[in-house]
Order: sequence, then structure tokens, then C-alpha cells
Amino acid sequence: GENVEQHPSTLSVQEGDSAVIKCTYSDSASNYFPWYKQELGKRPQLIIDIRSNVGEKKDQRIAVTLNKTAKHFSLHITETQPEDSAVYFCAAITSGSARQLTFGSGTQLTVLP
Amino acid sequence: KAGVTQTPRYLIKTRGQQVTLSCSPISGHRSVSWYQQTPGQGLQFLFEYFSETQRNKGNFPGRFSGRQFSNSRSEMNVSTLELGDSALYLCASSSQRRGGTDTQYFGPGTRLTVL
Repeated sequence: GENVEQHPSTLSVQEGDSAVIKCTYSDSASNYFPWYKQELGKRPQLIIDIRSNVGEKKDQRIAVTLNKTAKHFSLHITETQPEDSAVYFCAAITSGSARQLTFGSGTQLTVLP
Repeated sequence: KAGVTQTPRYLIKTRGQQVTLSCSPISGHRSVSWYQQTPGQGLQFLFEYFSETQRNKGNFPGRFSGRQFSNSRSEMNVSTLELGDSALYLCASSSQRRGGTDTQYFGPGTRLTVL
């Protein structure tokens, strides 16, 4: 089955700096890669996603890049703000009749004011 | 559209008991997946239902079961509760329409505590 590894597990940045979280996946058939943000006590919220036919996607301060050859994808947050502090999860899903999200272990991002 | 809802939000049970959790997906969504979230194991897939059929199952013991109704609402049941079943149980729904995305939208979760 799919295996997703996520690094780093914790990340502290100064407000205004950039943050990068990296994930690798094992199943070359995986074709959809969402990123979720989970604030303390709340549900995971989708913040951006990318499909295997796209190399990069951007939404304001957030961008995701995908390298299918190397089987890794990354989340980039620019101009970080204190409200970006949360746990971020990457995930991968394999196409087919049965869809199962396999999650990375999460990154606790802390933006220091 | 209303989001994914889960009931109850909190549950306290004792070892050996059983529990049933409920999930109502976003209107029009036919796929419901369940996940267990714990500090040690992260987010782990339990199972996925589509049109009342279980399509996929994660690596959990048979004490964990589920079902889906014709209106796409889903329930999961855990029998013979163990201390290690204490977790946040999340359900997520997706549309699974032809040409649609696989985006899964999560409910607020049910916090289960086993004493």
C-alpha cells in the first residue's frame, strides 16, 4: 500500500519568513495530493491540492510543488503569519474504484511574532 | 451547502462497552470515509463507503465496523472497547462524481474516551 513520509515534524519560523514542508510517497500510481491544516481542537481543513498532471499550484501565499519522478511534493507558505500556526498534513490518494487517503505524520508549524 | 456533521461530539465509555458514531455527509456526496486520529499514530484510515457498500478497509481489527444508509449517512461501530480506542474519530465525505475531484471534506469529529 501507499506510504507517505513527512518532514519536518516541527517547524518554527519568524513571522514574515517562509515555511517549507516536504512529503514523499511510495506508490507511483498515486495521482492526487491534498494538504490539510488542522488547528487545535478543530477538523482538518483542505488548504490546497495538486494532481499528478500538474507540477505546481499556487493560491495566494500557499503553493504546492510535485515531482512525480522523485515521488515527492512540498508545501510552501510565504510571508507567514501567526494564524498560520497549526498542524499541517500531506496526503496521497491512488486512483481506482476504492479511494483511501494516506496521510503523512504531520508538521507542527509555529509562527513566532 | 451544510458541511459534514458528526454526532455525538464527545463520548465517554468504559472498557468492554460498544459505541456507535454517526456521520452525515455534505448533501450530494456519496462517499464517506472514516479515520482515527491519535497523537501517536496520526490519521489512520478505517474504511470507506460508497452507495451503501464498503469499498476499502484499513488495517483495523474486526471490532471496528461500519455501514452506510441509502441517504449516504454513515455509522461506525466499535465493539468491546479497549483503552487504546480512545481517539478522535473523523469522517470525511467526497462527491466521487464522474469528472469530479477526490477532495475529502472532514467533519468535526467525535472525541471518544475509553476509561
